[in-house]
Amino acid sequence: EVVLTQSPVTLSLSPGERATLSCRASQSVGDSLGWYQQKPGQSPRLLIHDVSKRATGIPARFSGSGSGTDFTLTISSVEPEDFALYYCQQRTGWPRSYTFGQGTKLEI
Amino acid sequence: QLQLHESGPGLVKPSETLSLTCTVSGGSINNNSYHWGWIRQSPGKGLEWIGSIYHGGSTYDSPSLKGRLTTSIDTSKNQFSLRLSSMTAADTAVYYCVGLSYYDSSGYYYFDYWGQGTLVTVSS
Repeated sequence: EVVLTQSPVTLSLSPGERATLSCRASQSVGDSLGWYQQKPGQSPRLLIHDVSKRATGIPARFSGSGSGTDFTLTISSVEPEDFALYYCQQRTGWPRSYTFGQGTKLEI
Repeated sequence: QLQLHESGPGLVKPSETLSLTCTVSGGSINNNSYHWGWIRQSPGKGLEWIGSIYHGGSTYDSPSLKGRLTTSIDTSKNQFSLRLSSMTAADTAVYYCVGLSYYDSSGYYYFDYWGQGTLVTVSS
């Protein structure tokens, strides 16, 4: 089973700063890597798919990068509404299954 | 825009079987561009994928559940369902039904649509 490890656990920033969130896989996941945002009391929403492609309606300040086992979600200038939990997710090809990282909390 | 809504009991006794249903609106559950599934989140914890199903009733499940999971699809009602047997306190969680969208760029599915989640507590 592929294990995703996210760092840091908590990231404390001020609005306007740049946020860099990391996700490391225990083995290569190719380009099957997504990022999700979850605000308190809400369901998660897809931000990034296929490592670097923004989902529909996601602002351009969100970007994804990486390859193989090391991936990054960057928020170029954090807005007040961006303070939330962020999860990375990958898909294993066969047998097909999905795993999530443990999450990074972006806090003010 | 797809909308998903979970329904089912909020309280289950230990050793019993949990049954949840997800009703899909705004689109057909038969659409080949989607898979359907379940994700849970234990209190204060992260996200755990449980299993998925797609048109025709084919399923794939998390190996961690060791055969406890049954998922089914009812195209006449535009619904899919989960049955999780031998419930224990460790299964207490918010259960989300999800719609996975197919992305041509990679051929992968991602969790694009989420229900609002339903809290299931396992307690006698």
